[in-house]
Amino acid sequence: EAGVTQFPSHSVIEKGQTVTLRCDPISGHDNLYWYRRVMGKEIKFLLHFVKESKQDESGMPNNRFLAERTGGTYSTLKVQPAELEDSGVYFCASSQDRTGEKLFFGSGTQLSVL
Amino acid sequence: SQKIEQNSEALNIQEGKTATLTCNYTNYSPAYLQWYRQDPGRGPVFLLLIRENEKEKRKERLKVTFDTTLKQSLFHITASQPADSATYLCAARRSSNTGKLIFGQGTTLQVKP
Repeated sequence: EAGVTQFPSHSVIEKGQTVTLRCDPISGHDNLYWYRRVMGKEIKFLLHFVKESKQDESGMPNNRFLAERTGGTYSTLKVQPAELEDSGVYFCASSQDRTGEKLFFGSGTQLSVL
Repeated sequence: SQKIEQNSEALNIQEGKTATLTCNYTNYSPAYLQWYRQDPGRGPVFLLLIRENEKEKRKERLKVTFDTTLKQSLFHITASQPADSATYLCAARRSSNTGKLIFGQGTTLQVKP
C-alpha cells in the first residue's frame, strides 16, 4: 500500500513569502495530523483532522498558519507570510482511527526561510 | 509543563549487545507510550505501543516497559545489529480519544560491528 506522501520534500523561501505544503494520507485514513520539528527541538503537534473537520488545532503557532483538508482527502498547510522561526521539518501523519494508536508518517517537508 | 525526556547523548554499543533507551515523563500521566524509529531524512516509523496498565510489551527483538511509579519507559533492543542504528523517539498520548502525541527529542543509537 502507498504510504503517506508529502510535497515538496524541500522548500527554500524568503521571509515574507508564502509556502504551501501538501500531504496525501494513506487511502482510507480519515485521521490526518500535522507535526513540526524545528532545529534542536522535539517533534511538536500542530493539528488533527478527522475527515475534513479540524478535531484539534491547539498546536498551531499563530494565524499565519492555515491548514485545510477539503473533501477529506489530501491536506495543505499554508504559511503566509513566512518568518525565519518557521524553518523546520513539517511532518504529516495519518491513522485509520481517531485514537491515533498507530500513526504513519510521511518523510516530511524541510522548510527553510531565509 | 508536560515534558517527555530522553537521553540526548548518543548511545554507542557493540553488535550483539542489548541497547536500553530511557524515556521519562514529568507533569503528565500518559495513558499510552509509543516508540518510533527515525532514520535520517525520513519520518518516524511506529514500533511499539504500551498502555499504562501494561508492564511490558514485546515484539521480536524489541521490548518496552512502562513504570508509572517511576514515570519511565525503557526500550530494549536485544542482539543489536548495525541495521538498528537510528534515532528512537518516545511519544506519549494522554487518552484514547485523541491522536495528539507529545514527543521526546529522541536518542540516537549507533551499533558498531
